[in-house]
Amino acid sequence: ETGVTQSPTHLIKTRGQQVTLRCSSQSGHNTVSWYQQALGQGPQFIFQYYREEENGRGNFPPRFSGLQFPNYSSELNVNALELDDSALYLCASSSGTGFAETQYFGPGTRLLVL
Amino acid sequence: QKEVEQNSGPLSVPEGAIASLNCTYSDRGSQSFFWYRQYSGKSPELIMFIYSNGDKEDGRFTAQLNKASQYVSLLIRDSQPSDSATYLCASYRDDKIIFGKGTRLHILP
Repeated sequence: ETGVTQSPTHLIKTRGQQVTLRCSSQSGHNTVSWYQQALGQGPQFIFQYYREEENGRGNFPPRFSGLQFPNYSSELNVNALELDDSALYLCASSSGTGFAETQYFGPGTRLLVL
Repeated sequence: QKEVEQNSGPLSVPEGAIASLNCTYSDRGSQSFFWYRQYSGKSPELIMFIYSNGDKEDGRFTAQLNKASQYVSLLIRDSQPSDSATYLCASYRDDKIIFGKGTRLHILP
């Protein structure tokens, strides 16, 4: 157990809908990163938040957005869902900025877009 | 497009032997490199990170970095069946991390 939790565990949506995924970081971890992992692929970095500010972003369109809250929780929002958004979404928390400190991953949310 | 390349495997290694996992990267400005282990249906967990040329050892694991050749490797000594998993290599630069697709390792009892 890493102390990082995510909800829901599974989700089914239809194309065009919006979805919000949630993550609760380890206590004291000011940094949260979100990843998309398609089947058989490595995780793709979506973005990172440090103390409620975006601190880096991968090659994802603006319809992927995030929020981080002072209570170590965070959200990933995806608008206008597309079929290719079907994947496992992982969050990871750490105590420092960037990736210098060890990241602890949550169990993930598996999203299916029909 | 910055990339991290790994052989997808599966790589089959007898129990007790040395497993050698390799990774190449395209961005010469990459600052640090990570090896994660991911069991089937589970989340990645960090095994090692390395940022200087040479070897870094931690228990049965040794990470090797050659920046001139843009090559990172992970050696697992005395391989155990519990080492059977997908190993992900990742590079870091400027607040971005890029993962490879991973190599599936199968330790044969």
